[in-house]
Amino acid sequence: DTGVSQDPRHKITKRGQNVTFRCDPISEHNRLYWYRQTLGQGPEFLTYFQNEAQLEKSRLLSDRFSAERPKGSFSTLEIQRTEQGDSAMYLCASSSIGGPGDEQYFGPGTRLTVT
Amino acid sequence: GDSVTQMEGPVTLSEEAFLTINCTYTATGYPSLFWYVQYPGEGLQLLLKATKADDKGSNKGFEATYRKETTSFHLEKGSVQVSDSAVYFCALIGNSGGSNYKLTFGKGTLLTVNP
Repeated sequence: DTGVSQDPRHKITKRGQNVTFRCDPISEHNRLYWYRQTLGQGPEFLTYFQNEAQLEKSRLLSDRFSAERPKGSFSTLEIQRTEQGDSAMYLCASSSIGGPGDEQYFGPGTRLTVT
Repeated sequence: GDSVTQMEGPVTLSEEAFLTINCTYTATGYPSLFWYVQYPGEGLQLLLKATKADDKGSNKGFEATYRKETTSFHLEKGSVQVSDSAVYFCALIGNSGGSNYKLTFGKGTLLTVNP
């Protein structure tokens, strides 16, 4: 088991371009989460999947953001028409189905810079 | 909504000093409480957790006790090492409203331990 992986690790894009990030969770984990972390802040919840179903989206996730987990395995997060305010670290985490005390395992993150 | 407040950093200590990082929370019901750590260049890792009042989480010499009466979960270590230098995040998972899976984080506290 290699843990949660994310690709790419860094992305620099120009304002207005679309970007897509990928997350591969730990293979037996049913739950997958996306968080966003800006400089000097803690991570903030964006969205959550249980298997392939997206069960919650934060108000932080504007219409320009879309996430998918088509086969209940890897997930993608797409940002359309990027803005400078989208610059942040995007974190993916996964966990097994259980109680709220279950550990979420985090990936290394994708750092997005919008110029 | 749920929130976490932790002491602002940065915190700078000498090796073998005693560490306390304060954390208080606001949540309805009985949240689960966590400390995550982010070492330089690495992803978030769970350090310790407590899922009910008066529970003590411990790991790698760090401890934190779930105090419901003071809504606190302060992190302590009796003798810090240079290798403990990292950013520490206090977090909770609430158990009201059906959202018993998303982490709410504090802003993080940067700890630097000098030899």
